[in-house]
Amino acid sequence: EPEVTQTPSHQVTQMGQEVILRCVPISNHLYFYWYRQILGQKVEFLVSFYNNEISEKSEIFDDQFSVERPDGSNFTLKIRSTKLEDSAMYFCASSVGLASFTDTQYFGPGTRLTVL
Amino acid sequence: QKEVEQNSGPLSVPEGAIASLNCTYSDRGSQSFFWYRQYSGKSPELIMFIYSNGDKEDGRFTAQLNKASQYVSLLIRDSQPSDSATYLCAAAGNNRKLIWGLGTSLAVNP
Repeated sequence: EPEVTQTPSHQVTQMGQEVILRCVPISNHLYFYWYRQILGQKVEFLVSFYNNEISEKSEIFDDQFSVERPDGSNFTLKIRSTKLEDSAMYFCASSVGLASFTDTQYFGPGTRLTVL
Repeated sequence: QKEVEQNSGPLSVPEGAIASLNCTYSDRGSQSFFWYRQYSGKSPELIMFIYSNGDKEDGRFTAQLNKASQYVSLLIRDSQPSDSATYLCAAAGNNRKLIWGLGTSLAVNP
């Protein structure tokens, strides 16, 4: 069964450093998403991406964040200058792109980002 | 502020019993509702979704939606110890952005 994959599984970085989190969505899916979950808190939407552009972003997704689809398979999230409060589990998800009320999102295993 | 609320639990049921999980949402513009299961330290795993009022069954799982009351529930029949996890409710509008509850922790006791 096709799966969303993410690398690395765990990333440790120093405050102020740039990190890139990588995702390979399911191959026939058209929508891609990033979410994050701070330990003990709700899952939070960051951004959705369709047709090579951002379709929706949250207030969290400020100028420090960017997304890119550098080739036909990868989808990346870049954090330019990490802060302590960026420490969280980051989940990539993808969906086929059906009518919005039936379009289900499938999640990758996540990248645990630890900012020191 | 669009919110999804769940009782954090823990909800404890004996093996073989029915587990009932509930969720309310604030945004009347929400179109569809999703139940995910999350084991500790893992990613959300889709169980099922519902977008029409009434019941929807999938194996041992039944989702129920009442848009007038802004209420969604998930019933798990014949609960198994492997069902022990956190159950997340999420709502989506036409922008496909999932708004999540904090989740209900379920413990199924052998």
